[in-house]
Amino acid sequence: QVQLQESGPGLVKPSETLSLNCTVSGYSMSNAYYWGWIRQPPGKGLEWLGNIFPSGVTYYNPSLKRRVTISVDTSRNQFSLRLTSVTAADTAVYHCVRSNGSPPGYYFDSWGLGTLVTVSS
Amino acid sequence: DIVMTQSPESLAVSLGERATIKCMSSQDVLYSTNNKNYIAWYQRKPGHPPKLLFYWASTRESGVPDRFSGSGSGTDFTLTISGLQAEDVAVYYCQQYYSSPTTFGQGTKVEIK
Repeated sequence: QVQLQESGPGLVKPSETLSLNCTVSGYSMSNAYYWGWIRQPPGKGLEWLGNIFPSGVTYYNPSLKRRVTISVDTSRNQFSLRLTSVTAADTAVYHCVRSNGSPPGYYFDSWGLGTLVTVSS
Repeated sequence: DIVMTQSPESLAVSLGERATIKCMSSQDVLYSTNNKNYIAWYQRKPGHPPKLLFYWASTRESGVPDRFSGSGSGTDFTLTISGLQAEDVAVYYCQQYYSSPTTFGQGTKVEIK
């Protein structure tokens, strides 16, 4: 059974870069599926940030496109999130996810527990 | 972006009774090429990540009890819990994955009356 685990700093200063890693176990990322990130600010809804295919093809939410980068390291079975120029509005629980489905879109069949990232000086 | 609207925001149901959650999309999410509705449902319990319940609007994920059912087509969808159990207390979300960016409903909180 696939498992996903987020890791990274829980506190980031405003204007700096948020960086998180997701380690996948129980499944080889290079086989298939898209992998992605979803966040949920306190008291608010779920927001999809972006997806990456093992080949490196990425899709991002246009609302964040200029600030977000997702990368993959299939040799380590990990993928990563970078979000630049963060503000308090980026405070959220960040989940890494596995995407399933077929074009034009994908649902999320496996989720990491999530990690709270607070943006504060 | 497609806007997903859930109703009600919360509901309290007696144990063993039926809970019904509605989800409406601002655009049709039925893909004519494969005749599938691009709707998923998730359950989120406190301290846990969301758990996939249904995809293609009505296909139950493995391990999901059959008291849960998903239905609907086009723009109107329903999640039904027939015979609410204590462990069903959670927030439920719908998601459209018909067009990018994928978007979620705001959630419906289900409690025991």
